[in-house]
Amino acid sequence: KNEVEQSPQNLTAQEGEFITINCSYSVGISALHWLQQHPGGGIVSLFMLSSGKKKHGRLIATINIQEKHSSLHITASHPRDSAVYICAVPTQGGSEKLVFGKGTKLTVNP
Amino acid sequence: DAGVIQSPRHEVTEMGQEVTLRCKPISGHNSLFWYRQTMMRGLELLIYFNNNVPIDDSGMPEDRFSAKMPNASFSTLKIQPSEPRDSAVYFCASSFGAGNYNEQFFGPGTRLTVL
Repeated sequence: KNEVEQSPQNLTAQEGEFITINCSYSVGISALHWLQQHPGGGIVSLFMLSSGKKKHGRLIATINIQEKHSSLHITASHPRDSAVYICAVPTQGGSEKLVFGKGTKLTVNP
Repeated sequence: DAGVIQSPRHEVTEMGQEVTLRCKPISGHNSLFWYRQTMMRGLELLIYFNNNVPIDDSGMPEDRFSAKMPNASFSTLKIQPSEPRDSAVYFCASSFGAGNYNEQFFGPGTRLTVL
């Protein structure tokens, strides 16, 4: 069964800073998900990626399949980026069942 | 589309009572997932359906929990009898195709408090 570790658990930044959140997993996978949970509780899927890099606005997600590691970057961070960021991977290889990291709570101060 | 719809948004009940949570997936999606989120354990998959058929219910905590999907547009998660340790936020999500390979769309969640 896959184990997911995220770091850091908490992150405080000043507006404009470059943010990096890391996710490591133990079993090879076919795809990794990054989710954002707003302070109000709603969950939004940000990225699903199986190789390389994806970019959406100021958000960039990368994955290194060999090293079993993914990073989520936020450029020019803004207070509205404050949220919990969660990565999720299949429990095993190509399983449809996802296991989630504990999340990284990001606070961006103005 | 209105997105994934869950009801109720908040539920407060007493220990021993039956609780039913409801979910309407996005039209056209054929996979549906029930998750539970707590401070201690984070997000956990309880059960998921594909084309209305339960595929994996290994995350369902015990026999007090049951889930059904009678048709493509409706699913329920029932807890009977409820216990204080069931207090959590329950999310429903849907996707087109297998959840591992496709984006999942989450509902707003139901915050359950069992006294």
